[in-house]
Formats: sequence, C-alpha cells, structure tokens
Amino acid sequence: GQQLNQSPQSMFIQEGEDVSMNCTSSSIFNTWLWYKQEPGEGPVLLIALYKAGELTSNGRLTAQFGITRKDSFLNISASIPSDVGIYFCAGQETSYDKVIFGPGTSLSVIP
Amino acid sequence: NAGVTQTPKFQVLKTGQSMTLQCAQDMNHEYMSWYRQDPGMGLRLIHYSVGAGITDQGEVPNGYNVSRSTTEDFPLRLLSAAPSQTSVYFCASSPRVTNEKLFFGSGTQLSVL
Repeated sequence: GQQLNQSPQSMFIQEGEDVSMNCTSSSIFNTWLWYKQEPGEGPVLLIALYKAGELTSNGRLTAQFGITRKDSFLNISASIPSDVGIYFCAGQETSYDKVIFGPGTSLSVIP
Repeated sequence: NAGVTQTPKFQVLKTGQSMTLQCAQDMNHEYMSWYRQDPGMGLRLIHYSVGAGITDQGEVPNGYNVSRSTTEDFPLRLLSAAPSQTSVYFCASSPRVTNEKLFFGSGTQLSVL
C-alpha cells in the first residue's frame, strides 16, 4: 500500500536557525500537504501543493512539491519557540482519494 | 464557530467493553473521517464518509464501526475494545469534495486495559 517516510524523525535546534525536513513516497502523489500538530491538539493544515515543482510559502514556511512527484520538502526560516510541534507530511495519489499521513518530524526549539 | 468537536477527551475501558466516540462539526462539511495516532506511525485512516448515509473503510477499519445519519455527526463505535486499540483518535472534516483540506478535532485519548 501507500507509504510515506519522513526525515529526520526529530530535530533539536536553536532559536533563529533554519529548519529543513522532507518526505518521500513509495508512489506518485497528486497532492502534497504539510500539517503541524501542537501538544494536545489535532493537526492543522499549513500548506497544500498541487503541481510538480510548485513552491508555496506561508509566512516563514516554504514547501515544495518534488518534480518526481514522489517527494516534498518543508523549510522553516528563523525558527521561534512557537514552531515546536510535530510536522506531518500527507498526500493523495489522486484527487478524491484518501489522505495518507507520514510518521511525522518532531521539532524542538531551544530558546 | 466550534469547528470539529470530539467527546470525550479521555476514556479508559476494560477489554471487551464497548463505547462510542462522538464527533460533530458545525461547518456543513460533506466529508468526515476518523484517524488513529500511534507513536512513530503518524495518523492512520480508520473510516470515512463523503456524505450522509455513505461510509467506507480506510486503512485500519477492523474492530470499528461508523454511521453517518446526519451531515453534522460521525460517531465511531468500538464493539469489543482490545488493548491494541489504545490510541489517540482524531475526527476530521473537509469542506472540499477532494477532501485534502482536513480540519481536525482535538482528539480522544483512549486506554484499553
């Protein structure tokens, strides 16, 4: 079945540093998504990507839809303490298909 | 606007007990779904519904039942709880037919002893 892998599994960074994480799929995806989960809450959608090569920003966050359509990347610039949480990539093979989630990257920011 | 509301927030069950996790949304979303979250495994889809009266299985449906009698409500039933069902359960809804933009509730933490 569909499977997503995320790396790294966890990150501990200093406030102000930039962050990069990625997600790879065993199959081609039509849509890539990035969600953030804060402790005790459900995930919240950060960025949605719909086209190979697409680069989309949301404030200090930038995500890219890989040209192979089997990967996606998320960058966070100048990290701040409120960036702490688990970042999930997710995707769909086709529109209307179920959304599959990766295992998550846990981000800790040291003030 | 409450969004997606899940109850209860915490629940402890004994093996073999049954219970229903409640989920309600007030955004008139057609698409609703249930996920379970386990450490290191992300969120796995249990069941989903594309509208009232329509439900379908996700990746891990065994041991769970759902129904969708109204647009607003999508309860998840555990018929005979097992320790393997210890998890955090999230309900999500989407305003889009393509369902990729999911709005999540705050979760139910379930322990089965």
